[in-house]
Amino acid sequence: EVQLLESGGGLVQPGGSLRLSCAASGFTFSSYALSWVRQAPGKGLEWVSAISTSGSSTYYADSVKGRFTISRDSSKNTLYLQMNSLRAEDTAIYYCARAVAGTRVDYWGQGTLVSVSS
Amino acid sequence: NFMLTQPHSVSESPGKTVTISCTRSSGSIASNYVQWYQQRPGSAPTTVIYEDNQRPSGVPDRFSGSIDSSSNSASLIISGLKTEDEADYYCQSYDSTNQVFGGGTKLTVL
Repeated sequence: EVQLLESGGGLVQPGGSLRLSCAASGFTFSSYALSWVRQAPGKGLEWVSAISTSGSSTYYADSVKGRFTISRDSSKNTLYLQMNSLRAEDTAIYYCARAVAGTRVDYWGQGTLVSVSS
Repeated sequence: NFMLTQPHSVSESPGKTVTISCTRSSGSIASNYVQWYQQRPGSAPTTVIYEDNQRPSGVPDRFSGSIDSSSNSASLIISGLKTEDEADYYCQSYDSTNQVFGGGTKLTVL
């Protein structure tokens, strides 16, 4: 059974940093691209970032480019999202997602809440 | 980058058929596959349609998808509506460097 378990969310002050993790199991980790998708309270889904199977290619939404860094560790079957210079508008549930051919999500984690507030 | 525009909300009665549209702002709707995700309150999204019109296993055949190049839009069609279909629905597509979600449509079954 495919499982994606996010962790690392919490309350952080504006300008602060946070690193999210996503522990994957139930599939061959190195065979799939992975993404982060977020959802602000009461709002819709927003794609944040994606990483290729090898980790050599990374992609970012304009809203987070230069502030967020996606990475993966195949030895730990874990996806990461390093978030720096956080803003109030980054407040959201962050979902880890498995991407088929890097184009669509077939499995979602349950999400981790990030709150940016003073 | 392109945008995907959905109606904010739709409502229909149980047993009826509802269609949710998703219009692409630029570039052809047919150039990249469209997916549809269902999200119930408090839960993560799940896929109901992928690659324009394919249903994952476990999704009832009451759910179907299509694209229309003339209107540059995709549609999610749900027939035989049930109260359990009440949820938010999001379309999604992509280009070479981005994934794009529509704003979501709240389906009310009343």
